[in-house]
Amino acid sequence: KQEVTQIPAALSVPEGENLVLNCSFTDSAIYNLQWFRQDPGKGLTSLLLIQSSQREQTSGRLNASLDKSSGRSTLYIAASQPGDSATYLCAVSKYGNKLVFGAGTILRVKS
Amino acid sequence: NAGVTQTPKFQVLKTGQSMTLQCAQDMNHNSMYWYRQDPGMGLRLIYYSASEGTTDKGEVPNGYNVSRLNKREFSLRLESAAPSQTSVYFCASTLGQAKLGETQYFGPGTRLLVL
Repeated sequence: KQEVTQIPAALSVPEGENLVLNCSFTDSAIYNLQWFRQDPGKGLTSLLLIQSSQREQTSGRLNASLDKSSGRSTLYIAASQPGDSATYLCAVSKYGNKLVFGAGTILRVKS
Repeated sequence: NAGVTQTPKFQVLKTGQSMTLQCAQDMNHNSMYWYRQDPGMGLRLIYYSASEGTTDKGEVPNGYNVSRLNKREFSLRLESAAPSQTSVYFCASTLGQAKLGETQYFGPGTRLLVL
């Protein structure tokens, strides 16, 4: 059974700092990995999707990498801002878009 | 363009009562999903519908039923609510054409409290 773990569970950083969020998964036979953002009391917003054949994806200040063989992904946020404060969720899928989620990392960026 | 909408936003039930959570999408997506989110845990898939007219169980289907009413709407029904079903429920959708995975679009969630 696929299990997804996110470390750390919570992170507090000063504004402007670069940071890395970690995600690991137990079954490397995935089709893709997605990173989501969730604001308090809201739904999830997709940030980046990495297909299993890809090594990384970038969007603005966000860069996500995937090492399928070791079962790891990282989300790098450059020059963090208070508006980046949210919960970040990692999810992996096999065939058919059925996602298995990690518990998330709660990020607080202090101004 | 509203995306994925869910009703109600919040509901309180007594143990044994029934209710239906509604979800609709206006993006002409083929596939729809129901998840639940509990504190300290990731979202878990309850049921999904790969296309209109089909439904299938996810990771935690016990105590729930679903109906894919048409291409736009996918409802989740609790026949006899239990306190263990207290959770936040999210509906999501994907275009459903790429077998290797697609971005999922989520609704704002329904917060359910079962007393």
